[in-house]
Amino acid sequence: IAGITQAPTSQILAAGRRMTLRCTQDMRHNAMYWYRQDLGLGLRLIHYSNTAGTTGKGEVPDGYSVSRANTDDFPLTLASAVPSQTSVYFCASSASGGASGANVLTFGAGSRLTVL
Amino acid sequence: GQNIDQPTEMTATEGAIVQINCTYQTSGFNGLFWYQQHAGEAPTFLSYNVLDGLEEKGRFSSFLSRSKGYSYLLLKELQMKDSASYLCAVIDSNYQLIWGAGTKLIIKP
Repeated sequence: IAGITQAPTSQILAAGRRMTLRCTQDMRHNAMYWYRQDLGLGLRLIHYSNTAGTTGKGEVPDGYSVSRANTDDFPLTLASAVPSQTSVYFCASSASGGASGANVLTFGAGSRLTVL
Repeated sequence: GQNIDQPTEMTATEGAIVQINCTYQTSGFNGLFWYQQHAGEAPTFLSYNVLDGLEEKGRFSSFLSRSKGYSYLLLKELQMKDSASYLCAVIDSNYQLIWGAGTKLIIKP
C-alpha cells in the first residue's frame, strides 16, 4: 500500500539523548515535511524539503535537524532532547512544494515521543 | 499575527447534522483545507475550497466566504465513525499552510 512509514511508533527518551525519527515514502513525492502536534495547538511545521538535496526551516526548527539524501527518506533528528520536545510528530509528503489545492498532504501515522 | 479559530469540542447525535465553523485572519488567502483526524491516527484530506460557495462531497460539504474570513464543514447523517477531530488549514500569501487547533467531534447514539 502506497504511503508514508514512520518509525518508531512511540518512544520514551531521557533528556539529553539523541534521537532520530525515521520517515519513508513510496509515492515518489518531491516535497516532505515534519510537523509536531501538541494538545490545543495546530500542527506546527518543523522542517521541510521541496526536493531531494534541499531542506528549509519551518515555524519551530530549533533543536531539530533534517536531511534529504534521496527522494524517499526524510529523517528528523533531535540532537539533545528536552522535555518540551515531548509531542506527536507527523511526517507528511506532497507531490511538490508550496501549498495548493492540487498539492494535498499525505501524512504518516505519527511518532509519539516522550522526553523525561 | 495569523490566527485560525475553531471550536474546541462539539457533540452531536447519530443521524443528525452538525456544522463545524472555522474563522481565519491570515496574511493573504490562497485556499482552505479541511482534514479529518481520528484519535491516534494521521490527518486525512476531506475538502478544499478556494472560491466562495459550497462544495459537496457525499455526506460532507464545505463552505467558504472569503470576504468574511469564514468556512464551515457540514456533516450530514452522522455516523459513529465520524467521531474525530476536524482540522481547518489556510494557505497564506506565501503558500504556507496555517493550521487551526482542530475541533473534536463527539457523536452520541
